[in-house]
Amino acid sequence: SQQGEEDPQALSIQEGENATMNCSYKTSINNLQWYRQNSGRGLVHLILIRSNEREKHSGRLRVTLDTSKKSSSLLITASRAADTASYFCATAPPGAAGNKLTFGGGTRVLVKP
Amino acid sequence: DAGVTQSPTHLIKTRGQQVTLRCSPKSGHDTVSWYQQALGQGPQFIFQYYEEEERQRGNFPDRFSGHQFPNYSSELNVNALLLGDSALYLCASSLWGLRTTGELFFGEGSRLTVL
Repeated sequence: SQQGEEDPQALSIQEGENATMNCSYKTSINNLQWYRQNSGRGLVHLILIRSNEREKHSGRLRVTLDTSKKSSSLLITASRAADTASYFCATAPPGAAGNKLTFGGGTRVLVKP
Repeated sequence: DAGVTQSPTHLIKTRGQQVTLRCSPKSGHDTVSWYQQALGQGPQFIFQYYEEEERQRGNFPDRFSGHQFPNYSSELNVNALLLGDSALYLCASSLWGLRTTGELFFGEGSRLTVL
């Protein structure tokens, strides 16, 4: 079963525009992470936000976390064609010694030049 | 610094056969996790190995088994293949316990097609 659900499932934007995608989850978390996947290849870690954090930035990425609503958002500013990929949120449960992540179904982003 | 490597990259099997997938973790990592990703879906956790023992397991049948070797590399074995086992199998590495940064480092995956 999947803990996180991304919204929208697919997103098409023009280069230079911002892309926003949302993730909802069901149970308590230690942290929430976002990953990118290019066309059936491996996942690349983008950013991690801990349960006691509300916002985090990394380059053109901005992530927010609202634990009261069990939701997170990922904003990609000034998008580029190279940002075309699937984006997944993943949650880590509290207290676990290993990094068992539960992934959502992903948002497929197409950035048109 | 070698990243996570997986082999083979692609393979085709028929129903009922058995398959073994291999993974070498990122240099310095001691924990290996395996995920199954069906087409158009997010990755699903299969199991995780640390110190050559299975530490956590997802909701997968006993047909899925694994092993971790003293050099931290790992194998995923699937017996009695079903059509529904067709997927991208992803290996991810990390450090165990308090030494971890929390993120997983993924390989490029092994694409299994069951006919």
